[in-house]
Amino acid sequence: ELKVEQNPLFLSMQEGKNYTIYCNYSTTSDRLYWYRQDPGKSLESLFVLLSNGAVKQEGRLMASLDTKARLSTLHITAAVHDLSATYFCAVASSNQFYFGTGTSLTVIP
Amino acid sequence: DSGVTQTPKHLITATGQRVTLRCSPRSGDLSVYWYQQSLDQGLQFLIQYYNGEERAKGNILERFSAQQFPDLHSELNLSSLELGDSALYFCASSPYSLGETQYFGPGTRLLVL
Repeated sequence: ELKVEQNPLFLSMQEGKNYTIYCNYSTTSDRLYWYRQDPGKSLESLFVLLSNGAVKQEGRLMASLDTKARLSTLHITAAVHDLSATYFCAVASSNQFYFGTGTSLTVIP
Repeated sequence: DSGVTQTPKHLITATGQRVTLRCSPRSGDLSVYWYQQSLDQGLQFLIQYYNGEERAKGNILERFSAQQFPDLHSELNLSSLELGDSALYFCASSPYSLGETQYFGPGTRLLVL
């Protein structure tokens, strides 16, 4: 079974700082997803990365995919309080989805 | 608002019972996905339907079944419920299939007592 590891599990950062969340997975896949979940809410799709070297950006979030290293990163630039949430990556392989454990991000003023 | 609706929002039932969760996808979306989120097991993919046909199957228990109807709404049936089935159940929809942005419903919170 494909394993997906996210780190860190918890991240507390100050407003204005930059940070990166990492998502490693154990077997070949060329589709990677990032989601956001606010407390008590549903999931929101952030990015779908479909090929090696794919990079997507939306506001202060940028996601990238390196299929050879089996690694995706979610980079946060100049964090603001509104970005506080839990972020999940998920990998699709053989028509299955495998989720990471999530990174709980708290942005401190 | 994602455009995906789920009913009911909350469900409390007893062990051994059977429940049905309903999902209506966004207008025009052909794929529906079901997920389970619990503290013990995190987020798990259960099953995907595309235009009425089962397309992919994840960690769905044999006690669980799903279907997608001609009007594209989907139902997830959970039977012989156990305490461990208590979780949030999300459905999502997308226009076609994997590799696309998925739009999630608000979820159904199931509590099995």
